[in-house]
Amino acid sequence: GQQVMQIPQYQHVQEGEDFTTYCNSSTTLSNIQWYKQRPGGHPVFLIQLVKSGEVKKQKRLTFQFGEAKKNSSLHITATQTTDVGTYFCAGLLSNTGKLIFGQGTTLQVKP
Amino acid sequence: DSGVTQTPKHLITATGQRVTLRCSPRSGDLSVYWYQQSLDQGLQFLIQYYNGEERAKGNILERFSAQQFPDLHSELNLSSLELGDSALYFCASSVGGDRVNTEAFFGQGTRLTVV
Repeated sequence: GQQVMQIPQYQHVQEGEDFTTYCNSSTTLSNIQWYKQRPGGHPVFLIQLVKSGEVKKQKRLTFQFGEAKKNSSLHITATQTTDVGTYFCAGLLSNTGKLIFGQGTTLQVKP
Repeated sequence: DSGVTQTPKHLITATGQRVTLRCSPRSGDLSVYWYQQSLDQGLQFLIQYYNGEERAKGNILERFSAQQFPDLHSELNLSSLELGDSALYFCASSVGGDRVNTEAFFGQGTRLTVV
């Protein structure tokens, strides 16, 4: 079936280290979205990428959408304790309306 | 505050029972999504409605059903409940239903516990 895979499932880093999570879809996506869920909270929209090869930055966060519109990555530079949470990618499947979430990457940052 | 309201926040019920979860989307949003999140699990897509009509279906059990009303609020009905249905159920809304304006805004969720 249509799936969006995300790795790694967990990542523990020392504060100041970089962090990357990867997302891969079995089918071409209309767009890819990224969300952050803090412990005990609900997913919060971060960004949406639509164009093939698109790169967007939000302060220390860099988001990329692959050329084939099947994969994406989120890179955080110099992590801070406030970055703790689970990061989800979500792919909008072309012509279906389905917004399918990856399993998420839970980031722990040690001060 | 995302602008999406879900009620109730918590629900405890017995196996075999039926419950209804309610969602009011953000003002102006036409799409409503329902997701199930179990412990340490991702967000499982259940179903999407757009402007009152079913738009997309995910891994929704036959015991579950949903609808979106003319005022755009949505309800998720869960029947013949089993212990494994215990989870956090999220509703999300977006302006559009396909390609554009599809960023989703999530409610706080309804935590369902089946005992």
